[in-house]
Amino acid sequence: SQQGEEDPQALSIQEGENATMNCSYKTSINNLQWYRQNSGRGLVHLILIRSNEREKHSGRLRVTLDTSKKSSSLLITASRAADTASYFCVPYGNNRLAFGKGNQVVVIP
Amino acid sequence: GAGVSQTPSNKVTEKGKYVELRCDPISGHTALYWYRQSLGQGPEFLIYFQGTGAADDSGLPNDRFFAVRPEGSVSTLKIQRTERGDSAVYLCASSLGQDSPLHFGNGTRLTVT
Repeated sequence: SQQGEEDPQALSIQEGENATMNCSYKTSINNLQWYRQNSGRGLVHLILIRSNEREKHSGRLRVTLDTSKKSSSLLITASRAADTASYFCVPYGNNRLAFGKGNQVVVIP
Repeated sequence: GAGVSQTPSNKVTEKGKYVELRCDPISGHTALYWYRQSLGQGPEFLIYFQGTGAADDSGLPNDRFFAVRPEGSVSTLKIQRTERGDSAVYLCASSLGQDSPLHFGNGTRLTVT
Protein backbone atom coordinates (compact mmCIF):
# COMPACT_ATOMS: atom_id res chain seq x y z
CA SER A 1 0.00 0.00 0.00
CA GLN A 2 1.14 3.53 -0.41
CA GLN A 3 1.62 6.23 2.14
CA GLY A 4 2.65 9.84 1.87
CA GLU A 5 6.22 10.80 2.47
CA GLU A 6 6.42 14.19 4.11
CA ASP A 7 9.25 16.66 3.66
CA PRO A 8 10.79 18.21 5.69
CA GLN A 9 10.30 15.79 8.54
CA ALA A 10 10.99 18.51 11.09
CA LEU A 11 10.38 22.23 10.85
CA SER A 12 10.90 24.99 13.39
CA ILE A 13 9.56 28.50 12.73
CA GLN A 14 8.74 31.71 14.54
CA GLU A 15 5.16 32.59 15.35
CA GLY A 16 3.67 34.65 12.54
CA GLU A 17 5.76 33.02 9.82
CA ASN A 18 4.36 30.73 7.16
CA ALA A 19 5.05 26.99 7.26
CA THR A 20 5.16 24.87 4.11
CA MET A 21 5.22 21.09 4.07
CA ASN A 22 5.51 18.85 1.05
CA CYS A 23 4.29 15.36 0.47
CA SER A 24 5.02 12.83 -2.25
CA TYR A 25 3.28 9.58 -3.05
CA LYS A 26 3.70 6.79 -5.55
CA THR A 27 0.47 5.55 -7.12
CA SER A 28 -2.78 7.02 -8.44
CA ILE A 29 -5.19 8.46 -5.91
CA ASN A 30 -8.86 9.36 -5.48
CA ASN A 31 -8.04 12.05 -2.96
CA LEU A 32 -5.33 13.18 -0.58
CA GLN A 33 -6.01 14.12 3.02
CA TRP A 34 -4.02 16.10 5.57
CA TYR A 35 -4.26 15.45 9.31
CA ARG A 36 -2.80 17.11 12.39
CA GLN A 37 -1.88 15.56 15.72
CA ASN A 38 -1.10 17.71 18.74
CA SER A 39 0.54 16.02 21.68
CA GLY A 40 -2.19 14.95 24.06
CA ARG A 41 -5.02 15.53 21.59
CA GLY A 42 -6.10 13.08 18.90
CA LEU A 43 -5.66 13.08 15.19
CA VAL A 44 -7.76 15.73 13.49
CA HIS A 45 -8.68 15.94 9.84
CA LEU A 46 -7.63 19.25 8.29
CA ILE A 47 -8.48 19.17 4.61
CA LEU A 48 -9.29 16.75 1.79
CA ILE A 49 -8.41 17.50 -1.81
CA ARG A 50 -9.79 15.38 -4.61
CA SER A 51 -7.70 14.17 -7.53
CA ASN A 52 -9.45 16.55 -9.95
CA GLU A 53 -8.74 19.57 -7.73
CA ARG A 54 -5.52 21.57 -7.81
CA GLU A 55 -5.87 23.86 -4.82
CA LYS A 56 -8.05 24.14 -1.76
CA HIS A 57 -8.27 26.60 1.11
CA SER A 58 -9.57 26.30 4.65
CA GLY A 59 -8.97 29.25 6.96
CA ARG A 60 -5.20 29.71 7.26
CA LEU A 61 -4.55 26.45 5.39
CA ARG A 62 -3.82 26.13 1.70
CA VAL A 63 -3.32 22.76 0.05
CA THR A 64 -2.13 22.13 -3.49
CA LEU A 65 -2.14 18.89 -5.42
CA ASP A 66 -0.12 18.05 -8.53
CA THR A 67 -1.14 14.58 -9.70
CA SER A 68 1.36 14.66 -12.59
CA LYS A 69 4.20 14.97 -10.06
CA LYS A 70 2.39 12.92 -7.42
CA SER A 71 2.94 15.62 -4.85
CA SER A 72 1.01 17.86 -2.50
CA SER A 73 1.88 20.80 -0.28
CA LEU A 74 0.31 22.23 2.86
CA LEU A 75 0.84 25.90 3.65
CA ILE A 76 -0.05 27.31 7.06
CA THR A 77 -0.09 31.08 6.99
CA ALA A 78 0.55 33.34 10.00
CA SER A 79 1.48 30.41 12.21
CA ARG A 80 0.54 30.30 15.88
CA ALA A 81 2.02 28.42 18.81
CA ALA A 82 -1.09 26.23 18.75
CA ASP A 83 -0.08 25.02 15.27
CA THR A 84 2.78 23.08 16.89
CA ALA A 85 1.95 19.51 15.94
CA SER A 86 2.72 16.61 13.66
CA TYR A 87 1.17 16.86 10.21
CA PHE A 88 0.41 13.83 8.06
CA CYS A 89 -0.50 13.59 4.41
CA VAL A 90 -2.54 10.52 3.52
CA PRO A 91 -3.08 9.58 -0.12
CA TYR A 92 -6.25 7.57 -0.68
CA GLY A 93 -6.33 5.20 -3.63
CA ASN A 94 -7.67 1.95 -2.25
CA ASN A 95 -9.31 0.64 0.88
CA ARG A 96 -6.67 1.64 3.37
CA LEU A 97 -5.51 5.08 4.43
CA ALA A 98 -1.83 4.71 5.27
CA PHE A 99 0.00 7.31 7.33
CA GLY A 100 3.69 8.11 7.03
CA LYS A 101 5.95 9.43 9.77
CA GLY A 102 4.64 12.97 9.42
CA ASN A 103 6.12 16.45 9.60
CA GLN A 104 6.93 17.68 13.10
CA VAL A 105 6.31 21.42 13.16
CA VAL A 106 7.33 23.58 16.10
CA VAL A 107 6.10 27.17 16.21
CA ILE A 108 8.16 29.27 18.58
CA PRO A 109 6.21 32.04 20.36
CA GLY B 1 -22.83 15.37 18.00
CA ALA B 2 -20.94 12.51 19.62
CA GLY B 3 -17.59 11.64 18.19
CA VAL B 4 -15.76 8.33 18.03
CA SER B 5 -15.54 6.78 21.47
CA GLN B 6 -12.85 4.31 22.50
CA THR B 7 -12.80 2.34 25.71
CA PRO B 8 -10.90 1.88 27.87
CA SER B 9 -8.70 4.95 27.54
CA ASN B 10 -5.89 3.09 29.27
CA LYS B 11 -5.25 -0.60 29.70
CA VAL B 12 -2.39 -2.23 31.56
CA THR B 13 -2.08 -5.97 31.20
CA GLU B 14 0.45 -8.66 31.87
CA LYS B 15 2.34 -10.42 29.12
CA GLY B 16 0.38 -13.41 27.88
CA LYS B 17 -3.06 -12.05 28.77
CA TYR B 18 -5.98 -11.43 26.42
CA VAL B 19 -7.34 -7.92 25.87
CA GLU B 20 -10.31 -6.39 24.07
CA LEU B 21 -10.41 -2.80 22.90
CA ARG B 22 -13.74 -1.24 21.96
CA CYS B 23 -14.62 1.40 19.41
CA ASP B 24 -17.98 3.17 19.07
CA PRO B 25 -18.00 4.98 15.74
CA ILE B 26 -20.04 7.99 14.78
CA SER B 27 -23.62 6.95 14.08
CA GLY B 28 -24.18 6.27 10.40
CA HIS B 29 -20.51 5.88 9.53
CA THR B 30 -20.14 2.71 7.49
CA ALA B 31 -16.35 2.69 7.35
CA LEU B 32 -14.25 1.90 10.41
CA TYR B 33 -10.47 1.74 10.71
CA TRP B 34 -8.10 0.51 13.38
CA TYR B 35 -4.55 1.84 13.68
CA ARG B 36 -1.83 1.56 16.28
CA GLN B 37 0.75 4.21 17.01
CA SER B 38 4.06 3.92 18.79
CA LEU B 39 5.90 6.90 20.22
CA GLY B 40 7.40 9.10 17.52
CA GLN B 41 5.78 7.16 14.68
CA GLY B 42 2.79 7.73 12.47
CA PRO B 43 -0.33 5.60 12.87
CA GLU B 44 0.15 2.10 11.47
CA PHE B 45 -2.84 0.68 9.59
CA LEU B 46 -4.28 -2.52 11.03
CA ILE B 47 -7.70 -3.23 9.53
CA TYR B 48 -10.55 -1.55 7.66
CA PHE B 49 -14.25 -2.47 7.87
CA GLN B 50 -16.91 -1.52 5.39
CA GLY B 51 -20.14 -2.35 7.18
CA THR B 52 -19.80 -5.68 8.97
CA GLY B 53 -17.06 -7.13 6.83
CA ALA B 54 -13.33 -6.61 6.99
CA ALA B 55 -12.51 -5.10 3.60
CA ASP B 56 -8.78 -5.09 4.29
CA ASP B 57 -7.13 -6.85 7.23
CA SER B 58 -3.65 -6.97 5.73
CA GLY B 59 -2.24 -4.68 8.42
CA LEU B 60 -2.88 -7.07 11.29
CA PRO B 61 0.64 -8.06 12.37
CA ASN B 62 -0.07 -11.72 13.15
CA ASP B 63 -2.81 -14.15 14.09
CA ARG B 64 -2.87 -12.96 17.69
CA PHE B 65 -4.77 -9.92 16.46
CA PHE B 66 -8.41 -10.13 15.43
CA ALA B 67 -11.18 -7.57 15.01
CA VAL B 68 -14.92 -7.83 14.62
CA ARG B 69 -17.80 -5.53 13.79
CA PRO B 70 -20.81 -7.86 13.98
CA GLU B 71 -23.60 -5.31 13.49
CA GLY B 72 -21.76 -2.78 11.39
CA SER B 73 -21.42 -0.32 14.22
CA VAL B 74 -19.32 -1.05 17.33
CA SER B 75 -16.02 -2.79 16.70
CA THR B 76 -13.78 -4.76 19.03
CA LEU B 77 -10.07 -5.33 18.52
CA LYS B 78 -8.94 -8.49 20.25
CA ILE B 79 -5.35 -9.33 21.09
CA GLN B 80 -4.44 -12.78 22.38
CA ARG B 81 -1.31 -13.72 24.30
CA THR B 82 -0.17 -10.13 24.53
CA GLU B 83 3.52 -9.32 24.20
CA ARG B 84 5.46 -6.29 25.41
CA GLY B 85 5.88 -5.22 21.80
CA ASP B 86 2.11 -4.79 21.54
CA SER B 87 2.35 -1.76 23.82
CA ALA B 88 1.12 1.25 21.84
CA VAL B 89 -1.82 3.60 21.43
CA TYR B 90 -4.58 1.90 19.48
CA LEU B 91 -6.63 4.34 17.44
CA CYS B 92 -10.03 3.86 15.89
CA ALA B 93 -11.53 6.06 13.17
CA SER B 94 -14.79 6.10 11.29
CA SER B 95 -16.02 7.79 8.13
CA LEU B 96 -18.96 7.93 5.77
CA GLY B 97 -16.90 6.03 3.23
CA GLN B 98 -14.74 6.80 0.25
CA ASP B 99 -13.99 10.45 -0.31
CA SER B 100 -14.84 11.23 3.30
CA PRO B 101 -12.40 12.20 6.04
CA LEU B 102 -11.64 10.01 9.03
CA HIS B 103 -12.86 10.97 12.49
CA PHE B 104 -10.54 9.59 15.15
CA GLY B 105 -11.19 8.60 18.71
CA ASN B 106 -8.78 9.51 21.49
CA GLY B 107 -7.29 6.05 21.45
CA THR B 108 -6.60 3.31 23.97
CA ARG B 109 -3.14 3.31 25.48
CA LEU B 110 -2.18 -0.35 25.92
CA THR B 111 0.74 -1.21 28.17
CA VAL B 112 1.90 -4.81 28.39
CA THR B 113 4.12 -5.46 31.39
